[in-house]
Amino acid sequence: EDKVVQSPLSLVVHEGDTVTLNCSYEVTNFRSLLWYKQEKKAPTFLFMLTSSGIEKKSGRLSSILDKKELFSILNITATQTGDSAIYLCAVYSGGSNYKLTFGKGTLLTVNP
Amino acid sequence: DAMVIQNPRYQVTQFGKPVTLSCSQTLNHNVMYWYQQKSSQAPKLLFHYYDKDFNNEADTPDNFQSRRPNTSFCFLDIRSPGLGDAAMYLCATSRPPFLAGGPHTQYFGPGTRLTVL
Repeated sequence: EDKVVQSPLSLVVHEGDTVTLNCSYEVTNFRSLLWYKQEKKAPTFLFMLTSSGIEKKSGRLSSILDKKELFSILNITATQTGDSAIYLCAVYSGGSNYKLTFGKGTLLTVNP
Repeated sequence: DAMVIQNPRYQVTQFGKPVTLSCSQTLNHNVMYWYQQKSSQAPKLLFHYYDKDFNNEADTPDNFQSRRPNTSFCFLDIRSPGLGDAAMYLCATSRPPFLAGGPHTQYFGPGTRLTVL
C-alpha cells in the first residue's frame, strides 16, 4: 500500500523564523510529488516536483525532492502569521491509473 | 476566473437521510475527483471520473455513489449517512493523467462540511 508520511505533525514558531517541513514516501511507480497549503477550506496548490535535486521556489517558499532517499522538504523563510495552515504533501504514483496519496499534513502555527 | 465550485459549503443532515453534494467546474478538465477528509486526517479518495468513465476506490463504501451528467458537474450521493460520514468532502479536477507533461495538478474546490445528527 502506498504511504506518505509527514513530519512534524504540528509546529509552532514565531514570526520571522524559518521552518522546514518533511515528507517521506513509499509508493509503487513514483510519478511526482505535490505540496498543498490548506487553511480552513480546500487545499491550494503550491508546488509539483518530478525531478530530483531541482529546487522549486515561490517567494519565501521553496521545495526540493530527493528521489534516491524518497523524501521532500518544504522550506518557509521569514514566516508570517498568514503562513499558519496545514501543509499537505501528496504523491502521484501508479501505472495505468495515476493515484494521488496524501500525507496527514503538518499543522504550522506562526505566532506574532 | 476558472474555478471549482462546491455547494453547499455546509450541509446538515439526519442519520439515514439521503444527501447530495454538488461540484461544478469551469476549468473544462476531463477528470473529477471526490475526496473525504476527516478531522486531522489526510484527504481520502472515494472515486473519480475520467470523462464518463467511473473509477471507484476498492474501499469506498456502497453508501457513496456519484453521478456526472456532463463535463462541468459531478454529484456525490450519500444514500444513508451515518455518524461516521461526518467529514469535509472535497471535489477536485485535473487534466487527463496521460496528457503530455502529466500527471497534472489537481485543483480543489472549497469543500462541503457535512454534519450528521
